Amino acid sequence: RKEVEQDPGPFNVPEGATVAFNCTYSNSASQSFFWYRQDCRKEPKLLMSVYSSGNEDGRFTAQLNRASQYISLLIRDSKLSDSATYLCAVNEGEYGNKLVFGAGTILRVKS
Amino acid sequence: NAGVTQTPKFRVLKTGQSMTLLCAQDMNHEYMYWYRQDPGMGLRLIHYSVGEGTTAKGEVPDGYNVSRLKKQNFLLGLESAAPSQTSVYFCASSTAQGTEQYFGPGTRLTVT
Repeated sequence: RKEVEQDPGPFNVPEGATVAFNCTYSNSASQSFFWYRQDCRKEPKLLMSVYSSGNEDGRFTAQLNRASQYISLLIRDSKLSDSATYLCAVNEGEYGNKLVFGAGTILRVKS
Repeated sequence: NAGVTQTPKFRVLKTGQSMTLLCAQDMNHEYMYWYRQDPGMGLRLIHYSVGEGTTAKGEVPDGYNVSRLKKQNFLLGLESAAPSQTSVYFCASSTAQGTEQYFGPGTRLTVT
């Protein structure tokens, strides 16, 4: 089993739709969780950090379910500009100083 | 602040050639990382550093070496490039363990 797994998608949604992605992780000791956004041929950019049960920033909500070992990202009122690949990352390592990334979920928002 | 910068942006190498990728950060971060990203495989950690003068192996370290002589710089070396090292290389930095990482713009390397 991969340490961090994501549905690769693509998720094709119309503008204005609500879409949610899940990311499962295998290490129950992980304490830090992140969502990154990556545009084509660009670097990953931090979207949200999830340190406790969840986090909300405008149209974006991230939640953590420790019992089932997954994090989710909810995007409300999707915009064309939300089209990107969304990567989740989970801290690992003896001292928790490494992030393990999922392969990403592709989102395409269409007009 | 420039954040995390990488040079070069693009490079084409022939098999067996060597090169060094430079990563620099101006955020005074302790931790620095080198990743490679290949289609369908996500980001994989090559090497990382938890402070000046320290380095450690990541998930895919073979064929690469690194050095962290100055806190702000992290160098990734390929001594004898192979076609399997064709990839996009990203450098990242963070303040401390388990915290968010900030990425550079990447280096696209092709080995023929």
